[in-house]
Amino acid sequence: KAGVTQTPRYLIKTRGQQVTLSCSPISGHRSVSWYQQTPGQGLQFLFEYFSETQRNKGNFPGRFSGRQFSNSRSEMNVSTLELGDSALYLCASSFGRAAQFRHEQYFGPGTRLTVT
Amino acid sequence: AQTVTQSQPEMSVQEAETVTLSCTYDTSESDYYLFWYKQPPSRQMILVIRQEAYKQQNATENRFSVNFQKAAKSFSLKISDSQLGDAAMYFCAYRSAQGAQKLVFGQGTRLTINP
Repeated sequence: KAGVTQTPRYLIKTRGQQVTLSCSPISGHRSVSWYQQTPGQGLQFLFEYFSETQRNKGNFPGRFSGRQFSNSRSEMNVSTLELGDSALYLCASSFGRAAQFRHEQYFGPGTRLTVT
Repeated sequence: AQTVTQSQPEMSVQEAETVTLSCTYDTSESDYYLFWYKQPPSRQMILVIRQEAYKQQNATENRFSVNFQKAAKSFSLKISDSQLGDAAMYFCAYRSAQGAQKLVFGQGTRLTINP
């Protein structure tokens, strides 16, 4: 079974631009979460999507948004990029919502975003 | 809000020896889950071991085991017979049992294995 895939793997953008990152969950998984990983702040939760609905959101500005499609694929968008948005963006998928313990999260390889 | 603290930014161990990584957390909830994730250099994050808070028995997965002390809010990871492939960043993580997918991570411990 194919794992979680994220595209693109690497991205370089300029301040002020916007970017869209994509995540394809494991087949059959309906829940997708996004995390930002930086050396200074570590791993921080961005959003959680289940059945095309945002279920939970982390403490990030409105420039960060996301969505989930009917096939469970998810995208996240960052508008008006700032230097501080440079990070590894990780996507994780699970079969259901994490209330069911056995629905552990599987992480993708991440998208490395560099803002110059 | 829940917090997770890993007080050891870096650890090193000789191959074949045992090492323990520390993790403490803070929560007002009584039902939750705890995890240790491993992130090798330039590779994907993978789950090493998990613990349900309502279970008193410590989880074990082959060479990996935890020491879960609920009252002390402590969740350490012991790696026995360390192997070169164990070299990675290790993250302790907390998840509420209330239904949210959100993982709260510690800052990580970089583990080096010396041959």
